Formats: sequence, structure tokens, C-alpha cells
Amino acid sequence: EPEVTQTPSHQVTQMGQEVILRCVPISNHLYFYWYRQILGQKVEFLVSFYNNEISEKSEIFDDQFSVERPDGSNFTLKIRSTKLEDSAMYFCASSDSYNEQFFGPGTRLTVL
Amino acid sequence: LAKTTQPISMDSYEGQEVNITCSHNNIATNDYITWYQQFPSQGPRFIIQGYKTKVTNEVASLFIPADRKSSTLSLPRVSLSDTAVYYCLVGDQDTPLVFGKGTRLSVIA
Repeated sequence: EPEVTQTPSHQVTQMGQEVILRCVPISNHLYFYWYRQILGQKVEFLVSFYNNEISEKSEIFDDQFSVERPDGSNFTLKIRSTKLEDSAMYFCASSDSYNEQFFGPGTRLTVL
Repeated sequence: LAKTTQPISMDSYEGQEVNITCSHNNIATNDYITWYQQFPSQGPRFIIQGYKTKVTNEVASLFIPADRKSSTLSLPRVSLSDTAVYYCLVGDQDTPLVFGKGTRLSVIA
């Protein structure tokens, strides 16, 4: 069964450093998403991406965040200057419509 | 966006049927009702989606009354591996998924 994969599974970084979280969506999917979940809290929508551009973003997705689909298979989330409060699980998801979204296993980001 | 309300937690014994009800009083005409499941340290997993009446798949059933102001996810004969958080989401096909706090289901042997 096809699945969304994410790397790394755990990323530790120093405050102020840039991080890039990587995702490989399911191959025939056209819609891509990033969510985050701070420990013990709700899953929060960050951004959706379709046809090589952002289709929607939340208030969380400020200028420190960017997304890219550099090569037709990877989908990346970049955080330019990490803050302590960016520590969370980051989930990538993909779908072939606006219905069922398939989530990856997540990247646990720890900012020290 | 339609606000959803569901129980914070539920307990069940193995082998029982579990029904989790979600209320969404201000659901809009274009909104669908979708349920996701999440295990600890994993991403949410789609369970079922419906618009009205009843939908059934190999995992669960979803019951939606005519007024669509609530919905019930039914899990037949739960096992320990069904212990998870279950989220009820309401939205149309153009809005991002908005997760609430969900219902933490604990299945006891």
C-alpha cells in the first residue's frame, strides 16, 4: 500500500538555526499539506499546496516558514530561524482530492 | 467553520461495540463529516467520511441523522489495538482539516 514518508524522524536543532523537513507524498497525489502537533495538543493545519503553489495557509505559517516541491517527488517545509515554540511533531499529508488525506509518520522537531 | 463537540474520553471492554457521537449544530450545506484516528506519535489516519444517512466500510460505520447536526462513529467489536484518539471533522471540500481535541478511546481487556 502506498504511503507518505518523512525524513528525518527526529531533528534536534539550536534556536535560530534553519531546518528543512522532507516528505515524499504518494506518487499520484496532487494536494500536499503540512500540519504540526505540539506535544499534548491538537493537530494544527499549517499550509496546503497544489499545482506548485500555496493554496491556503494558517496564521501559524508566517514568514519564517516556506514550502517547496523541488523535484516532483519531494515536498519540503523550511523553518528559517527556529524558535523554542517550534518544537512539535510535523506531519506531511497528501491527497488526490480534497477528501481523504494520507498522513506521514511525522518528524519530531526539538529546538534547544 | 462548523464547530464540533465530542466526548473527551471513553472506555470500553474488548469485543464491545463503541459509539462515539459528535455534535455539529452549525454544519453547512456543503460540509462533509469525516473521522480520523490517531495513535500516539503517529499521524492521523482517515477512517470514514459521509454526508448523510449511513456509510459503512470495513473499519467502521457512520450514522448521520436527517438534520445532520450530529453524527455517530460506530466501531464494531473493538480490540486493544483500537485504543487511540478519534477526531470528528466537519468541512467542505475546499477548507483545510481542522482538528479538535478528539475523543480518547481506551479499550480494556
